[in-house]
Amino acid sequence: DGGITQSPKYLFRKEGQNVTLSCEQNLNHDAMYWYRQDPGQGLRLIYYSQIVNDFQKGDIAEGYSVSREKKESFPLTVTSAQKNPTAFYLCASMRASDNTEKLFFGSGTQLSVL
Amino acid sequence: GDSVTQMEGPVTLSEEAFLTINCTYTATGYPSLFWYVQYPGEGLQLLLKATKADDKGSNKGFEATYRKETTSFHLEKGSVQVSDSAVYFCALRVGGSNYQLIWGAGTKLIIKP
Repeated sequence: DGGITQSPKYLFRKEGQNVTLSCEQNLNHDAMYWYRQDPGQGLRLIYYSQIVNDFQKGDIAEGYSVSREKKESFPLTVTSAQKNPTAFYLCASMRASDNTEKLFFGSGTQLSVL
Repeated sequence: GDSVTQMEGPVTLSEEAFLTINCTYTATGYPSLFWYVQYPGEGLQLLLKATKADDKGSNKGFEATYRKETTSFHLEKGSVQVSDSAVYFCALRVGGSNYQLIWGAGTKLIIKP
C-alpha cells in the first residue's frame, strides 16, 4: 500500500543536540511539507519542497533545516538553534498536478526535550 | 492576512446527536476550503472540501457548504457515532502557484455512547 512513513514515532533531544526526523513516501508525489503542531493550535508550516533539490521556508523555518535529494525522502533536522522544539511534527505530500488538492499525512513524530 | 477561526472545543455530544462545528475565514480572493480530521495518534486525513461559493462538500455523512456571504464553512453531521471522536481542522488554500494551507486551531469532538 502507498503512503507516508514517519520515523521515529517518539524522539527525545538533549540540550545542544541536532536531531533528524525521517519522512518517506512511495506515492510518487512531487510536493512534500513539514508542519509543526502544538496543543490547541493549528498546523504551522516549517518547510516545503515542490521538486527534488529545491525547498522553501515556511512560516516558522528558524532552527530547522531540510534536504530533498530524492523524490521519496524529505528529512527534517531540528537544530540546537530551535529553543522550543517540543511538539508533534507532521510530514505531508501531494501530487503537484493533482486537482483534488489533497494532502496525505504521515502519522507524526512526537519530539520532546530531555 | 488570511486566517481561519474555529469554535473552541472540546465539543461533547451523545451518540446520534446532531453535530455542528463552526468555521469562519478571512481571505483575499476566492480560496478553496477544507475539513481535515485527525484521529488519536495519527496524521490528518482530508474529510471534505469545496472550491467555490455555494459548493457543498460531503463525505462519511459529514457536510459543509461554502458560504461566501457569511465567510463560513461549518461542518455538520446528522447523527454522530462514537467513532467520530477526533480533532477536526478547518483550512483554506491560499491562492497562487505554491500550495499552502492556512489552518484553524482544531476542534476536539468527544462522542459518548
